Amino acid sequence: EDKVVQSPLSLVVHEGDTVTLNCSYEVTNFRSLLWYKQEKKAPTFLFMLTSSGIEKKSGRLSSILDKKELFSILNITATQTGDSAIYLCASYVDDKIIFGKGTRLHILP
Amino acid sequence: DAGVIQSPRHEVTEMGQEVTLRCKPISGHDYLFWYRQTMMRGLELLIYFNNNVPIDDSGMPEDRFSAKMPNASFSTLKIQPSEPRDSAVYFCASSTDRVGTQYFGPGTRLLVL
Repeated sequence: EDKVVQSPLSLVVHEGDTVTLNCSYEVTNFRSLLWYKQEKKAPTFLFMLTSSGIEKKSGRLSSILDKKELFSILNITATQTGDSAIYLCASYVDDKIIFGKGTRLHILP
Repeated sequence: DAGVIQSPRHEVTEMGQEVTLRCKPISGHDYLFWYRQTMMRGLELLIYFNNNVPIDDSGMPEDRFSAKMPNASFSTLKIQPSEPRDSAVYFCASSTDRVGTQYFGPGTRLLVL
């Protein structure tokens, strides 16, 4: 059965800390991996990764994919309270997209 | 562009009633996806369309759920009859690519009493 597993499920850190969110996947016919940030409403797109070892960066956020070990990480440096959200990882498998349960990140001021 | 538009934003109904959720995708996006999100199960893909044609409805929980896309700018997700376990947030998303970035609507929060 195809699955995407995120860890940790929940994380609380202080503002200014660096966090690493993990996403592992066990899927057949992997196509791409996506990261989303979900605050109070709908998920918003962060990154799409298709190639191993190439870091994608956007401000304080960065992500990388390891297709050999079947995982991806999302790093957030110098966290701010506005980074508090659920971070979702998803994998495209043939015609389907499978989401992980998310990591709930809370940044304390 | 206004983004993906969903209506209503909130719906409270009684068990047994019919519920219709609506979605307008981003203009030019050929793919439309319906998702359901609950605390227990996370985000689940229910069905998706390509050029108004349903491609994969294997995520639709049961026959009480149906989805249509009569044209490129409108889709509905219908639940008849609704049950309390259908309570969730239902998202619609659209994309230009089957395996690319999906843009989500604001969601419809459904509560079935």
